Amino acid sequence: QSVLTQPPSASGTPGQRVTISCSGSSSNIGTNTVNWYQQLPETAPKLLIYSNDQRPSGVPDRFSGSKSGTSASLAISGLQSEDEADYYCAAWDDSLKGPVVFGGGTKLTVL
Amino acid sequence: EVQLVESGGGLVQPGGSLKLSCAAYGFTFSKFPMSWVRQAPGKGLEWVSTISGSGASTYYADSVKGRFTISRDSSMNTLFLRMNSLRGEDTALYFCARDRNWGSHYWYFDLWGRGALVTVSS
Repeated sequence: QSVLTQPPSASGTPGQRVTISCSGSSSNIGTNTVNWYQQLPETAPKLLIYSNDQRPSGVPDRFSGSKSGTSASLAISGLQSEDEADYYCAAWDDSLKGPVVFGGGTKLTVL
Repeated sequence: EVQLVESGGGLVQPGGSLKLSCAAYGFTFSKFPMSWVRQAPGKGLEWVSTISGSGASTYYADSVKGRFTISRDSSMNTLFLRMNSLRGEDTALYFCARDRNWGSHYWYFDLWGRGALVTVSS
């Protein structure tokens, strides 16, 4: 049982916009910034979004992040086949559940 | 090139021990806290342990506390994870990761290795 809650799956067709949600609590998302990681099949996770909405160099602007209260979202616009991957949210947690907590991951399928 | 490369994984019997290594390249290793994160087969990510840049402070998940020991050697630019009293539930792909802003509201991992597979089975 992950501390942060994500839908187990999401899907979209090429060109569509999809969003993945991440729900937490006051001790994690409500107080701290949210990060998103992309894990392509059989590869290491890669930082996609940090500090809620910041993209590291090299990440396309099709990927965007947002946060409101104790929830966060990752949006992918102009969906491409190479976006098919697992996506994880993560945050610092100030409670005994922490210090680092992850969501259970969302498997994105490009139809 | 900035990268992390893990090694030392393998098959070990329950109750056994194993030591993972993570070699760091292309950045000033001693400036960054470093962590281990694991992923059980078909499962999500789980934080395991973190060590400060100096090595003076260490942190562990409750699931491994007292059994695992994290350490680092800045002269070798290498991170280690000594795992004792291994259990079946420790079977996972173990990633090393570089921390940014450890201990703050703005924490994140910005660099990951490809992982080392640890299988605990008789």
